[in-house]
Amino acid sequence: QKEVEQNSGPLSVPEGAIASLNCTYSDRGSQSFFWYRQYSGKSPELIMSIYSNGDKEDGRFTAQLNKASQYVSLLIRDSQPSDSATYLCAVYTGGFKTIFGAGTRLFVKA
Amino acid sequence: DGGITQSPKYLFRKEGQNVTLSCEQNLNHDAMYWYRQDPGQGLRLIYYSQIVNDFQKGDIAEGYSVSREKKESFPLTVTSAQKNPTAFYLCASSYDGQVSYGYTFGSGTRLTVV
Repeated sequence: QKEVEQNSGPLSVPEGAIASLNCTYSDRGSQSFFWYRQYSGKSPELIMSIYSNGDKEDGRFTAQLNKASQYVSLLIRDSQPSDSATYLCAVYTGGFKTIFGAGTRLFVKA
Repeated sequence: DGGITQSPKYLFRKEGQNVTLSCEQNLNHDAMYWYRQDPGQGLRLIYYSQIVNDFQKGDIAEGYSVSREKKESFPLTVTSAQKNPTAFYLCASSYDGQVSYGYTFGSGTRLTVV
């Protein structure tokens, strides 16, 4: 069964630090990779997408993909209390199939 | 502003009752999806639709039904056959059927059995 694994957390970091969120996936044929942010009681919001090996930066966010290791990560620089949320890793494996991880809860301490 | 509207925000269902969750989008997206989210679990796909008048079962379709009569609308009915319907239901859409650009989600409907 195709899986996406994330550490449930909570991951606690001080304000201004770098938060590092990790995700592994089982299907080597996976094509597209996404990070969603979900505030408590709200719906997920797409914040990053990555399609090829390497790093992709967007503001304070950097997504990293290593297909050989089947590993995708999200770095949040200069973390702010407003970044406190659950971060969902999602992997598109083809044929309308996107698998979501259970999410990592991030807490940024002021 | 373009987006996805889900209603109602909260819904209470009695035992043996069918309820319908509404999902409307004005993004001109072809593909639409229904997901269920339970605490501590990843989102699970209930149904998806690539085009009008066509839809496919996802991983947990039992006890649910959908229709796609208009491009903009994809309502979900939770039937009495769904034995554990209490969950957060999310409607999503994507620009292309291959989902390579990720999803836009609605604000969700929280369904509780009373």
